[in-house]
Amino acid sequence: NAGVTQTPKFRVLKTGQSMTLLCAQDMNHEYMYWYRQDPGMGLRLIHYSVGEGTTAKGEVPDGYNVSRLKKQNFLLGLESAAPSQTSVYFCASSSGKGFYGYTFGSGTRLTVV
Amino acid sequence: DQQVKQNSPSLSVQEGRISILNCDYTNSMFDYFLWYKKYPAEGPTFLISISSIKDKNEDGRFTVFLNKSAKHLSLHIVPSQPGDSAVYFCAATWRSGGSNYKLTFGKGTLLTVNP
Repeated sequence: NAGVTQTPKFRVLKTGQSMTLLCAQDMNHEYMYWYRQDPGMGLRLIHYSVGEGTTAKGEVPDGYNVSRLKKQNFLLGLESAAPSQTSVYFCASSSGKGFYGYTFGSGTRLTVV
Repeated sequence: DQQVKQNSPSLSVQEGRISILNCDYTNSMFDYFLWYKKYPAEGPTFLISISSIKDKNEDGRFTVFLNKSAKHLSLHIVPSQPGDSAVYFCAATWRSGGSNYKLTFGKGTLLTVNP
């Protein structure tokens, strides 16, 4: 039972480059989320999805795009990376029923130079 | 506007003593609260939760207390162990109406338990 899997785990980008972070969950969860964690800022919601084919903006969406073409996958894209996007990115999923918490992935550490 | 506040960035306690982590919230709609624990280089993991219809929930060494009138909750760890050293995030959501699917997190408190 893998839970939530994030790839890659580490990445270094140059300013202006693009990349996609992949999140996959095998729990048949409806809801998926992308957060970033920065020192002293806690966990901030970037984008989320309430079902296949849906996406919505969170607290800090600028500079990011997302897609949820399949229920089990949630992709986070950076079209033109900036140093301000250096962060640790966490994907999470939730069934939204019964237990209202999230299951998190192990994170992607991204450095933009 | 920070809706979930953890005003102590860090806390240090001795092994065997009680650790008390605090969390305040401002949104009266919140009716479900959770604590997550995070070790370095890992994702947060669920620790314990409490519904607003309760004022206490216990799970082994971990107890969460909720004071709705003060919009305050706390996590007690007794006895504290060195393996409890981690960042603890408080989170809140509301379940009524079925239209909210998001957790709002505090900034976290780094707990260090000294042997």
